[in-house]
Amino acid sequence: KQEVTQIPAALSVPEGENLVLNCSFTDSAIYNLQWFRQDPGKGLTSLLLIQSSQREQTSGRLNASLDKSSGRSTLYIAASQPGDSATYLCAVLNSNYQLIWGAGTKLIIKP
Amino acid sequence: EAGVAQSPRYKIIEKRQSVAFWCNPISGHATLYWYQQILGQGPKLLIQFQNNGVVDDSQLPKDRFSAERLKGVDSTLKIQPAKLEDSAVYLCASSFGGLAGDQETQYFGPGTRLLVL
Repeated sequence: KQEVTQIPAALSVPEGENLVLNCSFTDSAIYNLQWFRQDPGKGLTSLLLIQSSQREQTSGRLNASLDKSSGRSTLYIAASQPGDSATYLCAVLNSNYQLIWGAGTKLIIKP
Repeated sequence: EAGVAQSPRYKIIEKRQSVAFWCNPISGHATLYWYQQILGQGPKLLIQFQNNGVVDDSQLPKDRFSAERLKGVDSTLKIQPAKLEDSAVYLCASSFGGLAGDQETQYFGPGTRLLVL
């Protein structure tokens, strides 16, 4: 059974710092891995999708990597801003086209 | 392109009452998902439809939850009777159902926030 774990559960850093969020999964048989952002009381926003054959994806200040063999992904945020404060969720798409989710990392960027 | 629509956005009920949520997926999406997200946790899949058939409902508490997808388009999720632990956000998502291969993604509605008192 696929399990997805995110570390840390919460993170608070000063504005301007670079930071890394971690995601691990137990079964490497995935179609892709996705990073989502969730703001309080709001829906889910897809940030990056890494296909199983890819190693990384970039969008602006965000860079996500995937190491399928070790079951790990990282989300790198450069030059963090207060507007980046949100919960970041990692999810893997399994062979049944179902998303299996981590519990998220709550990120706070202090001005 | 219109996104996934859900209603209502918020609902407050007392325990043992019933409640229903509605979802309209993106046009042309074959697969529809209902998730339950409890505060501080990731979403948990309740049920997955492919057109109007159920693919997976293994995590749906069938003694109190039911769902249907009429004509393979709109879907309704019902809880009867509600318990305190059903307080959560109920998310609906839709997708092409695997046609995109490893580029497959799901598109989410805004969710319905349920509070059971």
